[in-house]
Amino acid sequence: KNQVEQSPQSLIILEGKNCTLQCNYTVSPFSNLRWYKQDTGRGPVSLTIMTFSENTKSNGRYTATLDADTKQSSLHITASQLSDSASYICVVSDRGSTLGRLYFGRGTQLTVWP
Amino acid sequence: EADIYQTPRYLVIGTGKKITLECSQTMGHDKMYWYQQDPGMELHLIHYSYGVNSTEKGDLSSESTVSRIRTEHFPLTLESARPSHTSQYLCASSPPPGAGNTIYFGEGSWLTVV
Repeated sequence: KNQVEQSPQSLIILEGKNCTLQCNYTVSPFSNLRWYKQDTGRGPVSLTIMTFSENTKSNGRYTATLDADTKQSSLHITASQLSDSASYICVVSDRGSTLGRLYFGRGTQLTVWP
Repeated sequence: EADIYQTPRYLVIGTGKKITLECSQTMGHDKMYWYQQDPGMELHLIHYSYGVNSTEKGDLSSESTVSRIRTEHFPLTLESARPSHTSQYLCASSPPPGAGNTIYFGEGSWLTVV
């Protein structure tokens, strides 16, 4: 069964600290993996997208890694800011259909305290 | 910044009422989607469209219906709302293959049925 599991479910860190969020997936055949940031009550906003051949991608203070062999990805946030408080969602797409079916994780709820 | 818009953002309606959630995008995307998301849970695909006059049901059974008469619009309608329909509804669109893999989300419509 195609699934996306994220950990931890929630995380609290102090402003300025770094953190790493995890995503494990069983989606096959794999097409790409995306990380989204979703502020409370808003729609998800894309942070990074990686295909099979990419193992790291950065977007400012966000760095995503992908190990397609172990089917794991991580999102590292450097020097956290209060505005980083949000839900971070891992989304994996398969290439077994024209639609490119998306499988969503439940997200990691990150809270950054001053 | 994504050019995809949803209205209304927040709505409280009574049981049995008919409601249409509007979604518009100005990016010329053929593929559009409706997702349902309960708080703290993953997004579930309820409808999608490959283009004008194309609509398909998604993974999650939904009593809603959609239409795609114009490329820019993808409205979702509930003929008779029930409290179980209380949720956040997210509209999304994506460019054709080769034009990028990003899926753009609207800000969401929060529906409460009382």
